Amino acid sequence: KQEVTQIPAALSVPEGENLVLNCSFTDSAIYNLQWFRQDPGKGLTSLLLIQSSQREQTSGRLNASLDKSSGRSTLYIAASQPGDSATYLCAVRLYNQGGKLIFGQGTELSVKP
Amino acid sequence: GAVVSQHPSRVICKSGTSVKIECRSLDFQATTMFWYRQFPKQSLMLMATSNEGSKATYEQGVEKDKFLINHASLTLSTLTVTSAHPEDSSFYICSASQGGKKETQYFGPGTRLLVL
Repeated sequence: KQEVTQIPAALSVPEGENLVLNCSFTDSAIYNLQWFRQDPGKGLTSLLLIQSSQREQTSGRLNASLDKSSGRSTLYIAASQPGDSATYLCAVRLYNQGGKLIFGQGTELSVKP
Repeated sequence: GAVVSQHPSRVICKSGTSVKIECRSLDFQATTMFWYRQFPKQSLMLMATSNEGSKATYEQGVEKDKFLINHASLTLSTLTVTSAHPEDSSFYICSASQGGKKETQYFGPGTRLLVL
């Protein structure tokens, strides 16, 4: 059974700092991995999607890496800003499961001005 | 593009009543819709997957007679929480997929349910 774990559960950093969020999964047979942002009481915003054949994806100050063999992904946020404060969720999509996503429990990020 | 809406955004109801939540894909046809539940400070847990015109597939431990899902058209799926109880209070989020190779899921804004 696929399990997705995110560390740390919560993180507080001063503005301007670079940071790394971690995501690990137990079964490397994934179709893709996706990072989402969730603001309090809101839905999910997709940030980056990495296909199983890819090693990383970049969008602006965000960079996500994927190492399938070790079952790990990282989300790197450069020059963090208070507006980055949110919960970040990673999710893996399984093969032959009709698009089903398995989510980690999220990392709650707070960027202090 | 690829906008998914949910209605209502927030609902408060008495224990024992039924509540219907709508999920709509506004600018695309969704062959598959997913319903998730999220308790405070926890992650999203998939409840069921629905394909247009067919019965929903429920995850283990989710009561299909309590959480009725209907996906009658390519733009609308509904989740009805029947005989709601306080323990059903949660944040319900839907997502919709167009199908195709990448099958990206687009998420709705969520519905906060509070059962008194």
